[in-house]
Amino acid sequence: DAGVTQSPTHLIKTRGQQVTLRCSPKSGHDTVSWYQQALGQGPQFIFQYYEEEERQRGNFPDRFSGHQFPNYSSELNVNALLLGDSALYLCASSLRGHGYTFGSGTRLTVV
Amino acid sequence: AQRVTQPEKLLSVFKGAPVELKCNYSYSGSPELFWYVQYSRQRLQLLLRHISRESIKGFTADLNKGETSFHLKKPFAQEEDSAMYYCALTPVSGGYNKLIFGAGTRLAVHP
Repeated sequence: DAGVTQSPTHLIKTRGQQVTLRCSPKSGHDTVSWYQQALGQGPQFIFQYYEEEERQRGNFPDRFSGHQFPNYSSELNVNALLLGDSALYLCASSLRGHGYTFGSGTRLTVV
Repeated sequence: AQRVTQPEKLLSVFKGAPVELKCNYSYSGSPELFWYVQYSRQRLQLLLRHISRESIKGFTADLNKGETSFHLKKPFAQEEDSAMYYCALTPVSGGYNKLIFGAGTRLAVHP
């Protein structure tokens, strides 16, 4: 079992562009959560998907959106990128919100 | 407000010395508390959770509801304990439990 797989591992985007990050959950997991980790900070909850619907959302603007597919994989989309969006984006999967397994993350740099 | 505070960014000790990583939380209900660890070049992983009341790799953590603390302790630190440690809580509300992380404490164990 490869665990939680995230792609790409690194990404450089220009301010104002849009980005899509991808996550494949651990086998048997049905819930995907996304976190943003800025340098020197702990992970901050963005949102959580279960049964292809957003179940919970943290304090992030509407520029951050997501999607979950029937195979439980998920995408995180960020529009109109700002310099402050530069961070490590972590995906965590679980079975109905219990027992999280984290991916290695996608490092996003906005220039 | 739901908040996790880890007052120390860095804790530096010598091998064999006792270790205590502090964690205080703010939450109006009865949360579930966790310690996560991230070793160099590895992904974030669960170290222990308060409901398990178990010792993992010699670490223990006791939930003190009166002081709203969940400090992580180990009597004799080892060099392989060097890592980033994050305290986290999840509000116990249904099955979709987001994690709220502290900023983390880097533990450096010197020979």
